[in-house]
Amino acid sequence: GQQLNQSPQSMFIQEGEDVSMNCTSSSIFNTWLWYKQDPGEGPVLLIALYKAGELTSNGRLTAQFGITRKDSFLNISASIPSDVGIYFCAGQPMEYGNKLVFGAGTILRVKS
Amino acid sequence: EAGVAQSPRYKIIEKRQSVAFWCNPISGHATLYWYQQILGQGPKLLIQFQNNGVVDDSQLPKDRFSAERLKGVDSTLKIQPAKLEDSAVYLCASSLGILAGEGDTQYFGPGTRLTVL
Repeated sequence: GQQLNQSPQSMFIQEGEDVSMNCTSSSIFNTWLWYKQDPGEGPVLLIALYKAGELTSNGRLTAQFGITRKDSFLNISASIPSDVGIYFCAGQPMEYGNKLVFGAGTILRVKS
Repeated sequence: EAGVAQSPRYKIIEKRQSVAFWCNPISGHATLYWYQQILGQGPKLLIQFQNNGVVDDSQLPKDRFSAERLKGVDSTLKIQPAKLEDSAVYLCASSLGILAGEGDTQYFGPGTRLTVL
């Protein structure tokens, strides 16, 4: 089945630093999504990408849909303490309609 | 607008017991999903409903797991009997149900944390 490789597994950064994480797959995806999950809560959608090459921003967050349709990255600029959480990439494989496949997550810790 | 509601939030049971989880999706959402999230992993789809019909249950362990959405709104997920490896967070999500493509965003509930002893 489809598998998403998400990296890094975890990050411990200083407040104010920029953060970058990415997801890759051997399969082609129609859609790439980035979610954030806080402890005890469900994932919340941050950014959705629908076209190869698309670059989308949401405040301090920027994400891109890779041109090969097999990868995506998420950047967070000027991190703040409330950015702490687990970030998941998720993709909708080309041949599976709106089924979502998730990466294993990137744990972000911010030191103030 | 109210989000996806789930109950209970926490459940502790012993192995071989039964347990049921309930989900109320966002009003008007035709598609409902149940995911299993094991600690340290991303959510894994168990079953997807379109209204009251099953679209995908390929990853549902049907010997012990069952789910229904009888009236196309609320849904229940049951485990009978539970095993130790079923300890996880069970997430419910819903979406409008537009055919695959732009706009069919899944919204997640807070989840039910199940511990099997």
